[in-house]
Amino acid sequence: GQQVMQIPQYQHVQEGEDFTTYCNSSTTLSNIQWYKQRPGGHPVFLIQLVKSGEVKKQKRLTFQFGEAKKNSSLHITATQTTDVGTYFCAVNTGGFKTIFGAGTRLFVKA
Amino acid sequence: NAGVMQNPRHLVRRRGQEARLRCSPMKGHSHVYWYRQLPEEGLKFMVYLQKENIIDESGMPKERFSAEFPKEGPSILRIQQVVRGDSAAYFCASSIDREAGNTIYFGEGSWLTVV
Repeated sequence: GQQVMQIPQYQHVQEGEDFTTYCNSSTTLSNIQWYKQRPGGHPVFLIQLVKSGEVKKQKRLTFQFGEAKKNSSLHITATQTTDVGTYFCAVNTGGFKTIFGAGTRLFVKA
Repeated sequence: NAGVMQNPRHLVRRRGQEARLRCSPMKGHSHVYWYRQLPEEGLKFMVYLQKENIIDESGMPKERFSAEFPKEGPSILRIQQVVRGDSAAYFCASSIDREAGNTIYFGEGSWLTVV
């Protein structure tokens, strides 16, 4: 079945450093979504990418969708302690499921 | 505009008891999904339902687990004869329909602890 690989599993950064998480699929994706889950919280939708090569920004967050629509990245510039949490990518399968990557857990040291 | 509502937020059950988790989708949403998240792990798809229909239950354990989404009322995830391994966060999500790329929105989750 559809799978999406997400790396790294964990990332420890000093506050102010940048952070990137990557998602890769062996098949072409129709779209990809990104979610953030704070510790003890629930996943919150961040953004959806649909077009090949698409780049979207939300303040310090930059989301990219690869030209072949098989990979995506989330980059955070100058991390803050409020960025702490787990970032998940998610893809829609050909059926009705939304499948999530394993997530990248971000730790930010002040 | 209320979001996805889940209750109870926290539930403690003894081994062998039943757990019932409820989910009311966002207003206007007719599609419901249940996910399970074990501690320190990712989100595992369990089941996708529309009103009165189970569309995809490929992620549901074969035994003890069932889900429904009746014509009236919330969706229910039912776990019979719970075991310690069922301890997890159970998240419900909803979407307006099932066109490819429609975003799903999560509730705050129900944390089940089996003692």
